[in-house]
Amino acid sequence: DAKTTQPPSMDCAEGRAANLPCNHSTISGNEYVYWYRQIHSQGPQYIIHGLKNNETNEMASLIITEDRKSSTLILPHATLRDTAVYYCIVRFTEGSSNTGKLIFGQGTTLQVKP
Amino acid sequence: SQTIHQWPATLVQPVGSPLSLECTVEGTSNPNLYWYRQAAGRGLQLLFYSVGIGQISSEVPQNLSASRPQDRQFILSSKKLLLSDSGFYLCAWSVEGLRSPLHFGNGTRLTVT
Repeated sequence: DAKTTQPPSMDCAEGRAANLPCNHSTISGNEYVYWYRQIHSQGPQYIIHGLKNNETNEMASLIITEDRKSSTLILPHATLRDTAVYYCIVRFTEGSSNTGKLIFGQGTTLQVKP
Repeated sequence: SQTIHQWPATLVQPVGSPLSLECTVEGTSNPNLYWYRQAAGRGLQLLFYSVGIGQISSEVPQNLSASRPQDRQFILSSKKLLLSDSGFYLCAWSVEGLRSPLHFGNGTRLTVT
């Protein structure tokens, strides 16, 4: 499974856009990029996922480079409640298996400051 | 809509005692089910996953076991807890398929004393 590299921590001012980078240089053609976040003492929350096109939903936007070796999660207007650990995950594939398990890394701790 | 329930929310158990954590999913059928553990200050570690009743795959050799007696029920067990079993245990579900997101419960915080 492809590994991901994220900065351990980032700060963002409240109301500004938070741009969280992720490198996944060994990603294979049929592997998706997923983003989750974990607020302290809660279960991880799904944010967004994509294959090669940019994606947007009510929570965030996902920008994937053309070579798919990196991506950026964008929170357009960060609030204090967005303070969390953000995980970038390349979805594990195992031949024709449909287990779909996720392997989490260390993530980026985003601190949104007033 | 689908919901996932985990209980208890917190648990304090002595070393050597048994463990049973239960997870149930509502609003879907034949989900993939997962157990993760997060030790203090560490990342999430996949422990077990199941694609159907009675089908359990173990990711890490350990003092724990999992069972799926019903379609939407996933149980994590131990016969004798170790101090190292302390952590935050999370159950998750997804619909069948590689693209389906995992949805996590609120977790059980286990302290082994």
